[in-house]
Amino acid sequence: DSGVTQTPKHLITATGQRVTLRCSPRSGDLSVYWYQQSLDQGLQFLIQYYNGEERAKGNILERFSAQQFPDLHSELNLSSLELGDSALYFCASSVAQERDEQYFGPGTRLTVT
Amino acid sequence: GQQLNQSPQSMFIQEGEDVSMNCTSSSIFNTWLWYKQDPGEGPVLLIALYKAGELTSNGRLTAQFGITRKDSFLNISASIPSDVGIYFCAGRNYGQNFVFGPGTRLSVLP
Repeated sequence: DSGVTQTPKHLITATGQRVTLRCSPRSGDLSVYWYQQSLDQGLQFLIQYYNGEERAKGNILERFSAQQFPDLHSELNLSSLELGDSALYFCASSVAQERDEQYFGPGTRLTVT
Repeated sequence: GQQLNQSPQSMFIQEGEDVSMNCTSSSIFNTWLWYKQDPGEGPVLLIALYKAGELTSNGRLTAQFGITRKDSFLNISASIPSDVGIYFCAGRNYGQNFVFGPGTRLSVLP
């Protein structure tokens, strides 16, 4: 158990809908990262937040947005969903210091039908 | 942008054999991480490396930070069935985000 929690575990929704994925980082970690992993693919970095502020952006679509709240949990919002958005979405957290290992949550499997 | 290559892409080995895989970069990194991912699960951190030439072990796993700082290696000794999975490397420079490799898929035959 990495200490990072993600909800829900599974999510099935229809095209055009909007969903919210939630992540709670490990105790003491200030940084949260979101990744997308499509079937049999590697991890694609989406976005990073540090202590409530956006720190870095990767290959995140304009239909996707995220935020980190004062209690450091984060939410990833996916809107106008398309079939191609079906994937595993992982959250990772780190202390964001020099020795900065990322610890991953169990993921949310999103299926868009 | 920075890219990582992992070799081999996949491998089939017999239980009990040793495994070697590597990760190479076009850029110099100052941190390397190795993860293992089981199907449908989140990646689990295996080993972290912070210094060129560093050799670190975690049970039957040993990883090395290449002296050129452009590569890293992971070895698994005496493989067992639960070693099956995808092994990812990740590297970064200070102030930058980690870049992940495409993974090496390991299958262990009984």
